[in-house]
Amino acid sequence: KAGVTQTPRYLIKTRGQQVTLSCSPISGHRSVSWYQQTPGQGLQFLFEYFSETQRNKGNFPGRFSGRQFSNSRSEMNVSTLELGDSALYLCASKSLASQETQYFGPGTRLLVL
Amino acid sequence: QKEVEQDPGPLSVPEGAIVSLNCTYSNSAFQYFMWYRQYSRKGPELLMYTYSSGNKEDGRFTAQVDKSSKYISLFIRDSQPSDSATYLCASSGMDTDKLIFGTGTRLQVFP
Repeated sequence: KAGVTQTPRYLIKTRGQQVTLSCSPISGHRSVSWYQQTPGQGLQFLFEYFSETQRNKGNFPGRFSGRQFSNSRSEMNVSTLELGDSALYLCASKSLASQETQYFGPGTRLLVL
Repeated sequence: QKEVEQDPGPLSVPEGAIVSLNCTYSNSAFQYFMWYRQYSRKGPELLMYTYSSGNKEDGRFTAQVDKSSKYISLFIRDSQPSDSATYLCASSGMDTDKLIFGTGTRLQVFP
């Protein structure tokens, strides 16, 4: 079974631009979560989606948004990029059948110049 | 104060050593406790999962949770150079996928 895939893997943007990152969960998984990982703050929760509905949101500004499609694929968008948005953005999916098996993708590494 | 605290290390041990990795947490609502391993430039990989208090063993890995002291531990027996990675503890409450992570401990196992 294929794992969680994220595209693109690497991205370079400039301040003020916007960016859209994509996540395809493991087949059959309906729950998708997003995290931001930085050297200073570690892994921080961004959003959690199930059946196209946002169930939970982390403590990030409104510039960070996301959505989930009917096929469970998810996207996150960051508008008006700031230097501090440079990070590894990770997506995780899980099957409702098991609380424990939250699988992470390889991440999208975003660099904001 | 962070909800999950973890010593960042780095921790350097010889091959074959027993490694002890620890975290503390402050939120009494946490019920699920996980350990993830993250290699450089990769996403975190789930190693161990524990619900509530207790021990769980899987091969060379043992996870322990003591809810009375809010202490989470991961033990690695017979450590190998391939265990060199960053180890992240994480916790979550009921009815949510939101994981609260520690900052991660960088482990190096040298031959």
